[in-house]
Amino acid sequence: DAKTTQPPSMDCAEGRAANLPCNHSTISGNEYVYWYRQIHSQGPQYIIHGLKNNETNEMASLIITEDRKSSTLILPHATLRDTAVYYCIVRVVSGATNKLIFGTGTLLAVQP
Amino acid sequence: DTAVSQTPKYLVTQMGNDKSIKCEQNLGHDTMYWYKQDSKKFLKIMFSYNNKELIINETVPNRFSPKSPDKAHLNLHINSLELGDSAVYFCASSQEVGGVHFGPGTRLTVT
Repeated sequence: DAKTTQPPSMDCAEGRAANLPCNHSTISGNEYVYWYRQIHSQGPQYIIHGLKNNETNEMASLIITEDRKSSTLILPHATLRDTAVYYCIVRVVSGATNKLIFGTGTLLAVQP
Repeated sequence: DTAVSQTPKYLVTQMGNDKSIKCEQNLGHDTMYWYKQDSKKFLKIMFSYNNKELIINETVPNRFSPKSPDKAHLNLHINSLELGDSAVYFCASSQEVGGVHFGPGTRLTVT
């Protein structure tokens, strides 16, 4: 699975959009981009995933560049409860296994 | 309506003891996992089961033995506990392309 690079930490004002970048320059054509977050002491929470096209769900939007070497997770209106470590993971979806390799992630601190 | 549940939430025990952590998912997923998060907060996969069959075993000491009585349950038994086993253990489940759903975690402290 390809390696990802994320900034260790970011701040965002409450109510503003939080844009979390991720570089995955060695991504392969069949690797998906997944985003998870972990709020202190809780289990990681799935947010969104995509292959080529931009994706949106009730939690966030995922923007993947045309060359697929980087992506941005957008939380449109950050709240204090969005303070968490956000993990960007790229992986091949291969049948029975869904092995996630977590890096160190980005600690997003939403400020009041 | 907890999707992935684990018991117990906290487990404090002495070195050398044997303990088990139970996990159940009600999502109808075929694949279940155990992940370990150490004191430095690194999350690492330990095991993966698909339809009760072991798929992934990530060089975990054989003191750790997962057991899957059916595809909704994956329990983790640990023999001869050591200080280094202290961590948070997360159970998870998934269905192919979709996201992996994690349980709330079990904080194991070995004294």
